[in-house]
Order: sequence, then structure tokens, then C-alpha cells
Amino acid sequence: EVQLVESGGGLVKPGGSLRLSCTASGFTLNGAWMTWVRQAPGKGLEWVGHIYTKSGGVTTDYAAPVQGRFTVSRDDSKNTLYLQMNSLKTEDTAFYYCSAGSGEWGQGTLVTVSS
Amino acid sequence: DIQMTQSPSSLSASVGDRVTITCRASQIVSNYLNWYQQKPGKAPRLLIYAASSLQSGVPSRFSGSGSGTDFTLTINSLQPEDFATYYCQQTFNIPRTFGQGTKVEIK
Repeated sequence: EVQLVESGGGLVKPGGSLRLSCTASGFTLNGAWMTWVRQAPGKGLEWVGHIYTKSGGVTTDYAAPVQGRFTVSRDDSKNTLYLQMNSLKTEDTAFYYCSAGSGEWGQGTLVTVSS
Repeated sequence: DIQMTQSPSSLSASVGDRVTITCRASQIVSNYLNWYQQKPGKAPRLLIYAASSLQSGVPSRFSGSGSGTDFTLTINSLQPEDFATYYCQQTFNIPRTFGQGTKVEIK
């Protein structure tokens, strides 16, 4: 069974950092197109960024609000996807979901940025 | 950025009804269009990809159509478990924008 499990969410002060993890089971991340999506409480879905392999190299893309502050990466040996979030702002408060190109989603992890 | 506009924003329907949700893109996205279902407190679930392909495990009462800028999600014979919020998303361009969502409520 394919499963994605996020972890690492929590309460952080504005300007702080947090790293989210998304551990996959039932399939290998290597070569998979992986995406982070967030959802502020009571709001709609917002694409954050993704990572994929193309022509032997890894490519990442980001939404404008997080460009330069967030980094998507993966550790194939741990079958885990990461979202490194720096210089966090209150408007980054949201549930963060990882998803695979094949359609599976994790259950989400809540990040709260507040003083 | 490509803007995705769903209509209606919400609707009330009864079990057994046929429901149609539309999604319009601000520019051509070919068939690079996904539909998701989300229930309160849960992660989104992929229903339709490439505008009209049914994701594995999704009931056949869900169907998608359209290409270019105009797309439709249809639910035939609405079931109690279908009351949820539905989102479209274009995967043609960066950023991969979502529609604002359509909430399907019980009449």
C-alpha cells in the first residue's frame, strides 16, 4: 500500500525555521514527481513547490510567496521528501501536505507561525 | 500566473442528483487539469487527471470533460459520501494554480 506520512510541523516564531518531512512507503521517491501543497485554516489549496528528475538532474520550482525562503529536497536513501522553511511569516501558517505524481497525498502537518 | 475560476462557489443538492461544477482557466492549459475532492479535516483526494481520466479507485459516477480553458466535473447520482469541497488545478504551467473550490452541501 502506498502511503505518505508528513511530520515536523509545530509552532514557530516569525523569522524562524522549520523542516517538514514526508516519508514514503510502498513506492520509491527516486524518480517520482513530488509536490508540497498548503492550506491555511478555512481557506483553499495553494501549490507551494515541487521536485522532479529530468534528464538525469533534479529540478525544483516554487510559488512566488515562498521563492527564496523554502527549499524542497529529497533523500532517496531514506525515501523521504523535505520542505525546509526559513524566514517564516505569519501568513505561512497552514496545513502542509505532500503529494506524489501518482495521486497519493499525506495526511498533512500543521505549521503555526506566531509570536 | 494562470487564474482558475470555479463556479458555483457552493451548491445544495440532494442524494441522487446530477451535479456539474465548472472550472475556467485564464489561458489555455490544454488538458492539464486535475480535479480533487476534500472532506473536512482530510487531505485532498485526486479524482480526475488529464481533464477526463478517472483516478484508480474513484467511482465511475465521477467524470471530467473539457480542454483548452473550459472544464467540467460531473457527479452522476450524488451519494451521501460525495458532500465535500471540490477543487480544480492546472498543471500546464508554474505555479500550479488551484481554483477557489466548490462546496457541495446537502439540500
